[in-house]
Amino acid sequence: AQTVTQSQPEMSVQEAETVTLSCTYDTSESNYYLFWYKQPPSRQMILVIRQEAYKQQNATENRFSVNFQKAAKSFSLKISDSQLGDTAMYFCAFIFQGGSEKLVFGKGTKLTVNP
Amino acid sequence: NAGVTQTPKFRILKIGQSMTLQCTQDMNHNYMYWYRQDPGMGLKLIYYSVGAGITDKGEVPNGYNVSRSTTEDFPLRLELAAPSQTSVYFCASRTTVNTEAFFGQGTRLTVV
Repeated sequence: AQTVTQSQPEMSVQEAETVTLSCTYDTSESNYYLFWYKQPPSRQMILVIRQEAYKQQNATENRFSVNFQKAAKSFSLKISDSQLGDTAMYFCAFIFQGGSEKLVFGKGTKLTVNP
Repeated sequence: NAGVTQTPKFRILKIGQSMTLQCTQDMNHNYMYWYRQDPGMGLKLIYYSVGAGITDKGEVPNGYNVSRSTTEDFPLRLELAAPSQTSVYFCASRTTVNTEAFFGQGTRLTVV
């Protein structure tokens, strides 16, 4: 079974600084996708970034980038120039292609950006 | 463009009552999911569906039932509500595996 682990229940960062959220996963599959979702206090789930396992290049979306280490099964999210609006829960998620189509989430990291 | 619509947004149930959480998507997505999110926790998969007429259990299916008679609708039924089912419920849908899952706004359910 696929599992996703986020080892940092809470983190905080000063506005304009950089923070990295960790995620590890466990799978025997080779073809899969990884996602980071953001959940602000409004409760809405928002996709931040996705990574295809077959791509070696790390995904980037504006201030958000990932460090994807396939051999280590690690998928960390780096937020640069943190903004107050980045305050939210962040969830790492996994799905493998051609399988059961289950979308599995980690327990989340609560990020607080301080002014 | 409505996306994924969940109703109701809030509900208080008494122990032993039953209810159905509605989920509708207008994006013609094949895959649909029901999750529950307990306070301070991640999302746990209750049930999911890969297409009309096909459903399967997730990691926490006990106390729930689902059906998928159409592509658009994926209702979640709670029979004999228990306090342990107090949670926020999210419905989500997606197309093929390499696209994001779209989420509804969630239903906050309290069982007293």
